[in-house]
Amino acid sequence: SAVISQKPSRDICQRGTSLTIQCQVDSQVTMMFWYRQQPGQSLTLIATANQGSEATYESGFVIDKFPISRPNLTFSTLTVSNMSPEDSSIYLCSVSVGTNEKLFFGSGTQLSVL
Amino acid sequence: DAKTTQPTSMDCAEGRAANLPCNHSTISGNEYVYWYRQIHSQGPQYIIHGLKNNETNEMASLIITEDRKSSTLILPHATLRDTAVYYCIVRVAGFQKLVFGTGTRLLVSP
Repeated sequence: SAVISQKPSRDICQRGTSLTIQCQVDSQVTMMFWYRQQPGQSLTLIATANQGSEATYESGFVIDKFPISRPNLTFSTLTVSNMSPEDSSIYLCSVSVGTNEKLFFGSGTQLSVL
Repeated sequence: DAKTTQPTSMDCAEGRAANLPCNHSTISGNEYVYWYRQIHSQGPQYIIHGLKNNETNEMASLIITEDRKSSTLILPHATLRDTAVYYCIVRVAGFQKLVFGTGTRLLVSP
């Protein structure tokens, strides 16, 4: 398994600002992913964070809005840029370990945009 | 990824078995059935996965039909702490991402 720490756990932000969410894992992992969960909804994959290269974004998500970094095998950041109230969601980091059979999730970042 | 169909919600009495069904009629031969659950305000938690044989671990049992078009997650003795949204997902093992559907909201009552 893997222990995943996400920071911050929650934040309230003003429209037009940006927030960077950090995901730290206690061991080297093969894959890292970022998900969004809008209020009352299921999880939607934003992107795969690739170590040493640009992230791979899912349809409907773009790098300018959600820039992602992954400088090493244990850490990644997701930035929510130029926020609007529609960005109010829970953002979750997920990782796979070893043979990539299972994914583990952080506890998420609750973001509210005013 | 193949799509899955789950009931929106289910109820279960504490101490009884909870049987959560999932239909995945378009599953491919190399796709596994995964179950995750999400307890309120937490990230999803892995429960179990299988290819075609029934599987059991300390949390649950997974029963997959012979044609692999459906499966059932069984929580043998549900507790109040099992109240959560349960997601059935089909995925090629070792292939990256999980695609979540809407899941089943299980309510365990005293």
